[in-house]
Amino acid sequence: KNQVEQSPQSLIILEGKNCTLQCNYTVSPFSNLRWYKQDTGRGPVSLTIMTFSENTKSNGRYTATLDADTKQSSLHITASQLSDSASYICVVSGDSSYKLIFGSGTRLLVRP
Amino acid sequence: EAQVTQNPRYLITVTGKKLTVTCSQNMNHEYMSWYRQDPGLGLRQIYYSMNVEVTDKGDVPEGYKVSRKEKRNFPLILESPSPNQTSLYFCASGTGTGLYEQYFGPGTRLTVT
Repeated sequence: KNQVEQSPQSLIILEGKNCTLQCNYTVSPFSNLRWYKQDTGRGPVSLTIMTFSENTKSNGRYTATLDADTKQSSLHITASQLSDSASYICVVSGDSSYKLIFGSGTRLLVRP
Repeated sequence: EAQVTQNPRYLITVTGKKLTVTCSQNMNHEYMSWYRQDPGLGLRQIYYSMNVEVTDKGDVPEGYKVSRKEKRNFPLILESPSPNQTSLYFCASGTGTGLYEQYFGPGTRLTVT
């Protein structure tokens, strides 16, 4: 069964610290992997999109990595800010680019 | 401003009373999709549309209907809502080609009593 699992479920860090969120998937065949940021009560916003041939992609302080062999991805947040408090969702696309499989997300809280 | 809009944003209704949640995008996108989000389960795809008059089921289509008569609109219809359809619903759109970005609406919180 195609699944996307994220860890940890929740994370609390101090402002200015770095953190790394994990995503493991069993989707096959694999097309692309996306990371979204979702603020409470709002729709998700895209951070990065990566194909199987890409290992790393950055968007400001957000850096996503992908290992298509082990089917793992990570999202690294550098120098966290209070505004980074949100849920981060890993999304994988398989043989159909129209059908996206979502992880349940990691809820990040950045404290001053 | 490029955006996806949904209406209503909040809705409380009773079991069996038909309702429609509207979704509209102004970006001339081919692809549109509906999702529901429940605590601990993440977003799950209900239906999607690749173009006008072309729709297909997602992972959880039971109890829902959609139509795509115009490119910009993709309404979600609940013919006979039940309490297990209480959820947060999101509409999204994108070009649908290549590594397309998917833009989400603000969400509709539906409660069925």
